[in-house]
Amino acid sequence: AQKVTQAQTEISVVEKEDVTLDCVYETRDTTYYLFWYKQPPSGELVFLIRRNSFDEQNEISGRYSWNFQKSTSSFNFTITASQVVDSAVYFCALSGDNAGNMLTFGGGTRLMVKP
Amino acid sequence: EADIYQTPRYLVIGTGKKITLECSQTMGHDKMYWYQQDPGMELHLIHYSYGVNSTEKGDLSSESTVSRIRTEHFPLTLESARPSHTSQYLCASSDHGTENTEAFFGQGTRLTVV
Repeated sequence: AQKVTQAQTEISVVEKEDVTLDCVYETRDTTYYLFWYKQPPSGELVFLIRRNSFDEQNEISGRYSWNFQKSTSSFNFTITASQVVDSAVYFCALSGDNAGNMLTFGGGTRLMVKP
Repeated sequence: EADIYQTPRYLVIGTGKKITLECSQTMGHDKMYWYQQDPGMELHLIHYSYGVNSTEKGDLSSESTVSRIRTEHFPLTLESARPSHTSQYLCASSDHGTENTEAFFGQGTRLTVV
C-alpha cells in the first residue's frame, strides 16, 4: 500500500519569507515516482515536478527547490522569497509500478502568503 | 499547457436528477482518471481507465459510473444525485509509457446537489 503524508495542513507566511512544505511517503515499490502539484483558487491542479526513485539529486527551478531524501522517505518543497501569487494548496503525490501507476495524493498543504 | 477540458465548471442540481460530467482530452492519452475532492482538500480516486472499453473503480467507493467508448472522452454519470454527492470532481489523463508520467488535470466541476 502507498501512503503520502503532508503533516502541515495550513501555513501562513509574510511575503518574501522562505517556506518549506513537508512530504513523507510510504511505498513497497523499489521503483516509484514523486510529484508536486499546485492548486490555485481557480481549482485545477498544476503539475510542478516529477522525481523518480533512482534520482536523488535536488532540483531548483527559479524560486522553487525540491529536496528528495530516500533515507527519510521525504520529498520536501521549498519556496524562496514567497510571493502572494504562491498562495494555493500544494499536493505531494506518489505512484509506483506495482500500484498500476496510480497517483496517491497527500492531504495537501494550504499556503497563504500575506503582503 | 494541458489540453483537458471539463464541463460544466459549476452545476447546481436537485436531488434525484441524473447528471453527466464531461471530460475530454486532446493529447491522445490512454489513461484517464476521476478524482473527488472534499471541501477539506483531500483528493480521492473514484474511477480510472487504461484505454477504450477499460474502466475500473478507484480507492474511494462511489455511486457514480463511467464509460470509455472513445480515447478522448471519459464521462462520469450519477443516475440519481443526492446532497452527499456535493463535491468537486477532477478529471485527469496521463500518457502510457515505460515511465510514470505526470497526470494533467482539468479545471474541475464543482457539483452542488440541493
